[in-house]
Amino acid sequence: DIVLTQSPVTLSVSPGERATLSCKASQSISRNLAWYQHKPGQAPRLLIYDISTRATDIPARFSGSGSGTEFKLTISSLQSEDFAIYYCQQYSNWPPVFTFGPGTKVDIK
Amino acid sequence: EVKLVESGGAVVQPGGSLRLSCAASGFTFGQYTIHWVRLPPGRGPEWVSSISYDGADSYHADSVKGRFTIFRDNNKRSLYLEMKTLRIEDTALYYCVKGAGQQQVLHYFDHWGQGTLVTVSS
Repeated sequence: DIVLTQSPVTLSVSPGERATLSCKASQSISRNLAWYQHKPGQAPRLLIYDISTRATDIPARFSGSGSGTEFKLTISSLQSEDFAIYYCQQYSNWPPVFTFGPGTKVDIK
Repeated sequence: EVKLVESGGAVVQPGGSLRLSCAASGFTFGQYTIHWVRLPPGRGPEWVSSISYDGADSYHADSVKGRFTIFRDNNKRSLYLEMKTLRIEDTALYYCVKGAGQQQVLHYFDHWGQGTLVTVSS
């Protein structure tokens, strides 16, 4: 199975600063990578799919990049509502085995 | 507005059984693959099971194969997860999740429910 690793585990950022989160896959996953935001007590929310396409109603400060096995989620200027846990996910292999990374928690510095 | 509402979570003993349900609204339910994804305490999400738009095909993670069964009733716009021989490691928040691709299984997930909590404990 494809394994996803995320770094750092925790990222402490001040509001208005830039945050860069990393996701690495154990093998190439083409463009089949998504990012989700999760806040306690809420449903996880799709942010980015196909590496770099923003989902509906996602602000432009969220961007995704990368290729092959290394990917990044960048939040250009952190807002108070962005403090959450972020997960990457691959949807590449058949038969389907969808895997998620362990998450990066973005908290207030 | 897409809504997915899970129910059926409970505290059960190891070896016990449980059925989770998910009621869907706000989209053409019978056209989309639906999934169960769980979030164990202190860990990242884990995909559990998927079922194709017409219910003809289902897929399960190795960790639940032979113990869990996913099925759906498109007339009732509902998804189910039959869970048997539950283990302590099945303890998690279980989410009903909609796939984004119409009639496609291998796709990202575009809407999640709020989850229902399953606790396996003696």
